Amino acid sequence: EVHLVESGGGLIQPGGSLRLSCAVSGFTVSSNYMSWVRQAPGKGLEWVSVIYSGGSTYYAASVKGRFTISRDNSKNTLYLQMNSLRAEDTAVYYCARERVPSDWGQGTLVTVSS
Amino acid sequence: DIQMTQSPSSLSASVGDRVTISCRASQSISSSLNWYQQKPGKAPKLLIYAASSLQSGVPSRFSGSGSGTDFTLTISSLQPEDFATYYCHQSYSIPPWTFGQGTKLEIK
Repeated sequence: EVHLVESGGGLIQPGGSLRLSCAVSGFTVSSNYMSWVRQAPGKGLEWVSVIYSGGSTYYAASVKGRFTISRDNSKNTLYLQMNSLRAEDTAVYYCARERVPSDWGQGTLVTVSS
Repeated sequence: DIQMTQSPSSLSASVGDRVTISCRASQSISSSLNWYQQKPGKAPKLLIYAASSLQSGVPSRFSGSGSGTDFTLTISSLQPEDFATYYCHQSYSIPPWTFGQGTKLEIK
């Protein structure tokens, strides 16, 4: 059975850094496209980043240069390193499997506020 | 970046109604269009992929159509559990991939 479990969210001051993790089971992170999608409170879904099985990475313009997606194949875990955080980065962050995600985690809330 | 525009933003309907939600892409995305349903506090659920393919386990009252820039999600006979927010999502070519702004389907 496929499971994705995000962790690492919390309250962080503007300008700070946070690393989100997505531990997966039931499949291999390195063999799939893995994405991060976020949702600000009361707002719609926003695609954030993807890492291809081959290792290529892509980002939304709103996070490019500040966020880094990566994976640890030995831990079967996906990461999102978030630097220079802004108030507008406040959202629930979901990890998801594949180009057209059918498997999602439960989400982890990141709140950027002083 | 490809922009996705959904209409309407919100919709009131009754159980048993036929409902249509539209999604327009700012450039051709072939058939790389997907539809998601989201309920409050939950992760999105994939309903339709590649414009018209029904995801496994999704009721047949959901259907999708379109190609190029114009797409439609149809619910043939609304059920109580269908009241939710719906998003289109394009996964064309090289990222960034984008979502529409959402359509909130409410009970009339």
